[in-house]
Amino acid sequence: GQQVMQIPQYQHVQEGEDFTTYCNSSTTLSNIQWYKQRPGGHPVFLIQLVKSGEVKKQKRLTFQFGEAKKNSSLHITATQTTDVGTYFCANDSWGKFQFGAGTQVVVTP
Amino acid sequence: DAGITQSPRHKVTETGTPVTLRCHQTENHRYMYWYRQDPGHGLRLIHYSYGVKDTDKGEVSDGYSVSRSKTEDFLLTLESATSSQTSVYFCAISENSDGVAFYGYTFGSGTRLTVV
Repeated sequence: GQQVMQIPQYQHVQEGEDFTTYCNSSTTLSNIQWYKQRPGGHPVFLIQLVKSGEVKKQKRLTFQFGEAKKNSSLHITATQTTDVGTYFCANDSWGKFQFGAGTQVVVTP
Repeated sequence: DAGITQSPRHKVTETGTPVTLRCHQTENHRYMYWYRQDPGHGLRLIHYSYGVKDTDKGEVSDGYSVSRSKTEDFLLTLESATSSQTSVYFCAISENSDGVAFYGYTFGSGTRLTVV
């Protein structure tokens, strides 16, 4: 199945700063989902992107699907300590989702 | 999430013993999945089910079997546990239509399994 690569693997962010994490594929994706997992917790569904160039916002989080549907990004503005965790993207592979390795985000006050 | 529970939450077992993990849902969702999570690998699909008695393999199914005799229960069995199966196991449910998950997966709280 299609595999997605997430970069960076780790992201250290100062509180109040912005950052972006990326999800890339060598092939065209049908759709992308994003999940957040807090330390010691379980993954929680954030959003699904389906259309080429689609942009969705959830408060300080902005999700984008590339025009060629080969990449996606998650941009967080004014990072807060509550943003700590690992962010995963997942692509639909014949009805089953394959997850990237995740971006682990650490926020320093 | 309240609609999906996993048991046990933690387990330590010896190499070579069989182990069964249970996933129970109250959402009446058709699709259920077992993933394992290991550092650097994200979540990898072990097995999934698309209905009662309908199951299929994922990318890391060797050494695992599953059963689904009721809509609400999906069991994962490690036939003869090995140290490489030490991991955190997550069950997930999804309300799929024609194989497309519209609402995303809902994950259970996980089972931390240690094989010694």
